[in-house]
Amino acid sequence: GQSLEQPSEVTAVEGAIVQINCTYQTSGFYGLSWYQQHDGGAPTFLSYNALDGLEETGRFSSFLSRSDSYGYLLLQELQMKDSASYFCAVTGSARQLTFGSGTQLTVLP
Amino acid sequence: GAGVSQSPSNKVTEKGKDVELRCDPISGHTALYWYRQSLGQGLEFLIYFQGNSAPDKSGLPSDRFSAERTGGSVSTLTIQRTQQEDSAVYLCASSGGQGAQDTEAFFGQGTRLTVV
Repeated sequence: GQSLEQPSEVTAVEGAIVQINCTYQTSGFYGLSWYQQHDGGAPTFLSYNALDGLEETGRFSSFLSRSDSYGYLLLQELQMKDSASYFCAVTGSARQLTFGSGTQLTVLP
Repeated sequence: GAGVSQSPSNKVTEKGKDVELRCDPISGHTALYWYRQSLGQGLEFLIYFQGNSAPDKSGLPSDRFSAERTGGSVSTLTIQRTQQEDSAVYLCASSGGQGAQDTEAFFGQGTRLTVV
């Protein structure tokens, strides 16, 4: 099976940089994804890493180290609208998608 | 359709009744997922379909829960003899399911189930 660990809460101020870490244990691995969910909304896709390294998309970047079973989401130039829950997710060998428990990010003015 | 559609958006049912939740995935998407989310909690995996078959049913909490998918499209999640602990938002997602197309899952807005 799959299990993922990520911090439950992170707080940062507007304009700052924040990193949300994710470690995983899985019997098969295709890739690591990140999703954002605002209160009352559905999760939306942010990024996907299948290979080691950093993927950059605007203010958001995602990193993967397959040998360490570790990844992170980096959010730069934080804005108030970035306050949300962020989930890492593993695509397993059967292509199932398993989510972590989520990190609640609060951005303070 | 343009996105993943779930119905009903809200459902209130009495304890002991059966409920059916429906998911219409994005047209052409082969992979379909069901998750359950309680207030302020993470996404609990329930079941995953690839086409009409379910390679992974490991997340179904009990034999009161079942799901099917027909024609490689619409899926129905059925909960029999509902209990109060079944109250949650049930989310459905779909993805391309093949190669690079399955890297992004698209979620519906969910069905909020309340068992009273």
